[in-house]
Order: sequence, then structure tokens, then C-alpha cells
Amino acid sequence: GENVEQHPSTLSVQEGDSAVIKCTYSDSASNYFPWYKQELGKGPQLIIDIRSNVGEKKDQRIAVTLNKTAKHFSLHITETQPEDSAVYFCAAANTGFQKLVFGTGTRLLVSP
Amino acid sequence: DGGITQSPKYLFRKEGQNVTLSCEQNLNHDAMYWYRQDPGQGLRLIYYSQIVNDFQKGDIAEGYSVSREKKESFPLTVTSAQKNPTAFYLCASTDMGRTSGIGGNEQFFGPGTRLTVL
Repeated sequence: GENVEQHPSTLSVQEGDSAVIKCTYSDSASNYFPWYKQELGKGPQLIIDIRSNVGEKKDQRIAVTLNKTAKHFSLHITETQPEDSAVYFCAAANTGFQKLVFGTGTRLLVSP
Repeated sequence: DGGITQSPKYLFRKEGQNVTLSCEQNLNHDAMYWYRQDPGQGLRLIYYSQIVNDFQKGDIAEGYSVSREKKESFPLTVTSAQKNPTAFYLCASTDMGRTSGIGGNEQFFGPGTRLTVL
């Protein structure tokens, strides 16, 4: 079955810096890759997703890139702000039913 | 407001007791899911359901049971057979009927229930 690895487990940056979180997946049939942000004590919220027919997607300060050949995808956050501090999860799905397999999460801390 | 509700937010259980976690959605979504989250780990799938009266085991179904008698409801029972039930439980749903593109649609998550076994 699918396996998703996520790095780093923790990431500390200064406000205004960029942050990059990387994930790799094992199943070449996976075709949907969402990123979720989870604040303490809350459920995850989708922040951006990418599908296998696209190599890059941007939404304001957030971007995701996908390399299908290497089977990895990355989340890029520019001009980080303290409110970006949270745990970020990547995931992959390889069926229309969307049985998501999650990475282990990255705790991002943005210091003022 | 449309969304997913989970209750209670916090739940305490004595060892040997069964407990049921509630999940309700008014998004008219077909599919619903239950995940377990432990510190430092990702979300692990317990059970999922595509349609009413049908559900499948996920990766860690042992010690759990579910039902799907109504489209909007997907309760999870944590039984006494679950050896380490203390965790954060998350319910999610997705719309199967309308596909935004390759790979399907977004999963929406509820606020979670934190279960502690005393």
C-alpha cells in the first residue's frame, strides 16, 4: 500500500523567512496530494492541494510542487507570519474514493 | 452553517467500558471517515463509509466499530477490546458525487474528540 514520508518533523523560522516541507510517496498510482494545517486542539484544514496533471500550484503565499518521476511533493510558504505556526500534514490518495494516507506531520514555528 | 460536528469535545472513559463518539455532517456528503491521531504521528484511518449501510475497515480497525444508518451520521464506538484508546479522534467527509478533478475531492474534518482512558 501507499506510504508517505514527511520531513522535517519540526521547522523553526524567523518571521518573513520562507519555509519548505517535503514529502515522498511510494505508490506511483497516487494522483491527489493535499496539504492540511492543524492548529492545536482542532481538526485539520485543507490549505492547498495538487493533482497529478499539474506540476505546481500557487495560492498567495503558499505553493505546492509535484515531481511525479521522483515521487515527491513539497509545500512552500513565503513571507512567513506567526499565525502560520501550526502542524502541517501532507497526504496522498490513489483512488477516486480518496483513501488518504498521511505523512507524520511537521511542526512549524514562526518566531516574531 | 454547513459543516461537520463531533461530540463531545473531551471524553473520559474507565477501562473496560465501551464509548461512542458522535459525528454528524450537513454537507450532504456521501463518504465519511474516522481517523485516529496520536502525538507525533499522522492520521491513521480506522473506518470509512461510501454509502449508507456500508462501511469498510481502515488500517487500524481492531477494537472499533461503526454504523452508517443515515447519510449524515457516522458514529464510532471504541470498545473495551481497543488496548490503547487514549487519542484524538477525527471525523471527516467528502463529496463523491461531484469531482473537481483527478483524484477526487477535499476531505473536510470535524473539530475532533479527545478520548482519555482513566
